[in-house]
Amino acid sequence: GNSVTQMEGPVTLSEEAFLTINCTYTATGYPSLFWYVQYPGEGLQLLLKATKADDKGSNKGFEATYRKETTSFHLEKGSVQVSDSAVYFCAASRVYTGFQKLVFGTGTRLLVSP
Amino acid sequence: DAGITQSPRHKVTETGTPVTLRCHQTENHRYMYWYRQDPGHGLRLIHYSYGVKDTDKGEVSDGYSVSRSKTEDFLLTLESATSSQTSVYFCAISDTYEQYFGPGTRLTVT
Repeated sequence: GNSVTQMEGPVTLSEEAFLTINCTYTATGYPSLFWYVQYPGEGLQLLLKATKADDKGSNKGFEATYRKETTSFHLEKGSVQVSDSAVYFCAASRVYTGFQKLVFGTGTRLLVSP
Repeated sequence: DAGITQSPRHKVTETGTPVTLRCHQTENHRYMYWYRQDPGHGLRLIHYSYGVKDTDKGEVSDGYSVSRSKTEDFLLTLESATSSQTSVYFCAISDTYEQYFGPGTRLTVT
């Protein structure tokens, strides 16, 4: 089955710093890949996704590229804000029609200070 | 925001008691899921449903059962709660690629 490994946190940055959160996956075939974000006290929200190799997902200044050769889907943002402080989860799924069984990484907490 | 509510939002219960958590959606999505979130584990799938009365087990289903008698409701039952089931429980719904998550239920078993 699929598995996802992401970097341990917390990641502590100053406002306007560059962010990278590493994510690698193991899977049979080519899964769809996702980044979810969880703000304090809330459920998860989809941040971005990529469904095939070389796809780039992007949203709210965040980007991630599906790299088949390195089985990676690293999350990046050029200039973080205090409001980006949250826990970020990388996830993979073999997409069945209309149904997905997501496998999540353990999450990486991001703390951004002013 | 997707219309998903979970109840209760917080619960403290004693070991050995039965507990039922409810997930209610107003989106008419076919698929519903129950996850638990624990430090160091991320989210793990407990059970899922692909239609009314159609459910199946996820990776951590032992000690849990589910029921779905209506499209909008998905119930998670702990028949006899144990301390290892202390966790935050999330419901999710989906139709295609995106899963939408509820706000979570924090369950403490003492």
